[in-house]
Amino acid sequence: EAGVAQSPRYKIIEKRQSVAFWCNPISGHATLYWYQQILGQGPKLLIQFQNNGVVDDSQLPKDRFSAERLKGVDSTLKIQPAKLEDSAVYLCASSRGTSVAYEQYFGPGTRLTVT
Amino acid sequence: RKEVEQDPGPFNVPEGATVAFNCTYSNSASQSFFWYRQDCRKEPKLLMSVYSSGNEDGRFTAQLNRASQYISLLIRDSKLSDSATYLCVVNNNAGNMLTFGGGTRLMVKP
Repeated sequence: EAGVAQSPRYKIIEKRQSVAFWCNPISGHATLYWYQQILGQGPKLLIQFQNNGVVDDSQLPKDRFSAERLKGVDSTLKIQPAKLEDSAVYLCASSRGTSVAYEQYFGPGTRLTVT
Repeated sequence: RKEVEQDPGPFNVPEGATVAFNCTYSNSASQSFFWYRQDCRKEPKLLMSVYSSGNEDGRFTAQLNRASQYISLLIRDSKLSDSATYLCVVNNNAGNMLTFGGGTRLMVKP
């Protein structure tokens, strides 16, 4: 079974530029998550989708971050404009459903450096 | 107070040692608890769930103390391959979202 795919793996941009990340979850997984992991910290949930609907985006900085999962499969996360403090690894995860009983499988992440 | 707190370490132990990590959580309504493992520059992976009665998986034992709001992970007979960061994870009071602790780094030395 193929795992969660993410691209790009690395991205370096200057502050105030825009960037987009892509995630393709495990086939058949209805729930998709985006996490931000700053160096030395645990992952922090940004947004959770169930199919193409948003379940929770309470921790998403909506003035600069946006995410979509239009067809209920793959997803994109965008930052516009980027700030220095956005430097982090952006992890995508998927699971069969929203219940915490379902294991979340993480992708390899996109390492973003904002200079 | 952070929702999930862990000692960041690092814990430096020799091969064969027994090591224990604790984690405290602030939300008494939390119901689900997990330990994830994250290798350097890799993604987190589920190590084990933590049940009220405690559970064991080979050399790994997890326990939950609801009264004191902490969970623990015990690793016996440490191997070099156990070197990683161990993340304590708790579901939040909304029920379905997970909150990760900052992680405890373990380094097992020959």
